Amino acid sequence: NAGVTQTPKFQVLKTGQSMTLQCAQDMNHNSMYWYRQDPGMGLRLIYYSASEGTTDKGEVPNGYNVSRLNKREFSLRLESAAPSQTSVYFCASSEWRGTATGGADGYTFGSGTRLTVV
Amino acid sequence: GQQLNQSPQSMFIQEGEDVSMNCTSSSIFNTWLWYKQEPGEGPVLLIALYKAGELTSNGRLTAQFGITRKDSFLNISASIPSDVGIYFCAGRNTGGFKTIFGAGTRLFVKA
Repeated sequence: NAGVTQTPKFQVLKTGQSMTLQCAQDMNHNSMYWYRQDPGMGLRLIYYSASEGTTDKGEVPNGYNVSRLNKREFSLRLESAAPSQTSVYFCASSEWRGTATGGADGYTFGSGTRLTVV
Repeated sequence: GQQLNQSPQSMFIQEGEDVSMNCTSSSIFNTWLWYKQEPGEGPVLLIALYKAGELTSNGRLTAQFGITRKDSFLNISASIPSDVGIYFCAGRNTGGFKTIFGAGTRLFVKA
């Protein structure tokens, strides 16, 4: 009963280093998302993947890239980390309920990756 | 872009008290959602609302989708210590994948 699994849970990077955050879901959901959470700002969408093979920018995509590897996996890459990217990153997935009934269903979130860039 | 204003930012209450929090937007949404986040974990969906005026309960939690479609409310009755956490409202439009989150209401419950 794993749901959404994120790795790693914690990471410290030096400015300019690169890394990939991994996310996998076992609920057969079509849609997956990456959010970042900063104090006092709620969650902001970085990128999302409506279905396998598609990715789109969210509210704060600059400095990030994503790959929807297959239906289960959606990774987030920081090519050259900056201190402004220090945050908690959440991956989420959802099922599509159909346009007439409100679109994507509520999200299931992973437990987060706490990233510090020094 | 769309923004959600969630209030209050934090609440300190006594066990047994009822709690009310709300979320407002300058634009309409077709779906409102309420999530709870506990320390070290991701948010967990509490209630989803799909129709204007809809009132939905989940145990001691009740949420309403405002008639104007620009607001939503969450009430918690007879609070208990395990209600502690951050409560987020979120709004989304039909067919869209971009769910917008409020900044959260941090709830503290004193036993």
